[in-house]
Amino acid sequence: DGGITQSPKYLFRKEGQNVTLSCEQNLNHDAMYWYRQDPGQGLRLIYYSQIVNDFQKGDIAEGYSVSREKKESFPLTVTSAQKNPTAFYLCASSRGVRSNQPQHFGDGTRLSIL
Amino acid sequence: GQNIDQPTEMTATEGAIVQINCTYQTSGFNGLFWYQQHAGEAPTFLSYNVLDGLEEKGRFSSFLSRSKGYSYLLLKELQMKDSASYLCAVRDDSNYQLIWGAGTKLIIKP
Repeated sequence: DGGITQSPKYLFRKEGQNVTLSCEQNLNHDAMYWYRQDPGQGLRLIYYSQIVNDFQKGDIAEGYSVSREKKESFPLTVTSAQKNPTAFYLCASSRGVRSNQPQHFGDGTRLSIL
Repeated sequence: GQNIDQPTEMTATEGAIVQINCTYQTSGFNGLFWYQQHAGEAPTFLSYNVLDGLEEKGRFSSFLSRSKGYSYLLLKELQMKDSASYLCAVRDDSNYQLIWGAGTKLIIKP
């Protein structure tokens, strides 16, 4: 079945450590997104990508980095510069940024600090 | 500024009808989405409105008034499995990105 796969489901980060969250989609979607979800707040956009080898910063990109080397994959690295990384991270994809079709989400990765 | 407002929590009874409101103030508008999110899970798409009026899809309906910056999600014949958070998101027409409300937690009681 087509869908979006995020891994791992749970991740723990030590101080000063970079960690990478995986996101893979087989929906043949051009656009992919990373959001952060904190309790009591709306989803906040970290980065998005409209096509391979291109990505743009969202509202809260500081302390994060991404790559888009393949259409199917959009990994997110949480760097040691992100001082408050504990959150639920959601990856999404859509046919295109301007498409009226909805974004489809993965099951999320919950990141905590050790 | 950009702002999406939804009630934080609502309670309803199994079999009843509930209306979840969403008001927005955004610099531009290019559609409004409703999603359902069960605790710890991915949001799933429910409805999309870009023109004024009511969109019906089974037990769920969504209404939009662009002049009032207002939408609602109507859930009929409530079932226990409808206990979830309901997220309202507006697409900004400057960069086509979604601006999300904090969500409304709906509690269904027997």
